[in-house]
Amino acid sequence: EVQLQESGPGLVKPSQSLSLTCSVTGYSITSNYWGWIRKFPGNKMEWMGYISYSGSTSYNPSLKSRISITRDTSKNQFFLQLNSVTTEDTATYYCARSRDFAYWGQGTLVTVSS
Amino acid sequence: DIQMTQSPPSLSASLGDKVTITCQASQNINKYIAWYQQKPGKAPRQLIRYTSTLVSGTPSRFSGSGSGRDYSFSISNVESEDIASYYCLQYDNLPTFGGGTKLELK
Repeated sequence: EVQLQESGPGLVKPSQSLSLTCSVTGYSITSNYWGWIRKFPGNKMEWMGYISYSGSTSYNPSLKSRISITRDTSKNQFFLQLNSVTTEDTATYYCARSRDFAYWGQGTLVTVSS
Repeated sequence: DIQMTQSPPSLSASLGDKVTITCQASQNINKYIAWYQQKPGKAPRQLIRYTSTLVSGTPSRFSGSGSGRDYSFSISNVESEDIASYYCLQYDNLPTFGGGTKLELK
């Protein structure tokens, strides 16, 4: 059974970069699509981007200048980097599998604050 | 971007009721819509994909329908374990979520 687990700092200062890791077990990230989604405190959900089985990426246009999704196939992990964060990037961040997000990690709360 | 308008934002139901949530897309999404249940502190759980296909483990009291721009999600015979928030997601194009519906007990 596929399992996803997010990890990374829970607190990031404004203007710095947010970096998260999604570790996947039970399924190879060289198959399917792997995405990042966030849920804001007001409960709005936003797709951020994904990386495909081939390593190609697609990003939410609203984030395109600040986001990067990469992967390490040897560790079966993929990564999120979001640059120049502000307090508005405070959210719970999830990683998920497939284009319809059939499987999710448990989520990790990231707070942007000085 | 495809916008997903989900309604109602909140819903109050008694045990055993039937409830329906709708999502309207800003353009045709070719039935590429999924529905999720989320309980506090938990990850979203996919219940339905491609409009009406129940994901393995989803109880049969959940159902989905629709086409074009208009889609609905229903729970017949609401049970206490169904108290949660529900979201739609279109994945025909770059994914976008509906605003969510919070289901509460009356």
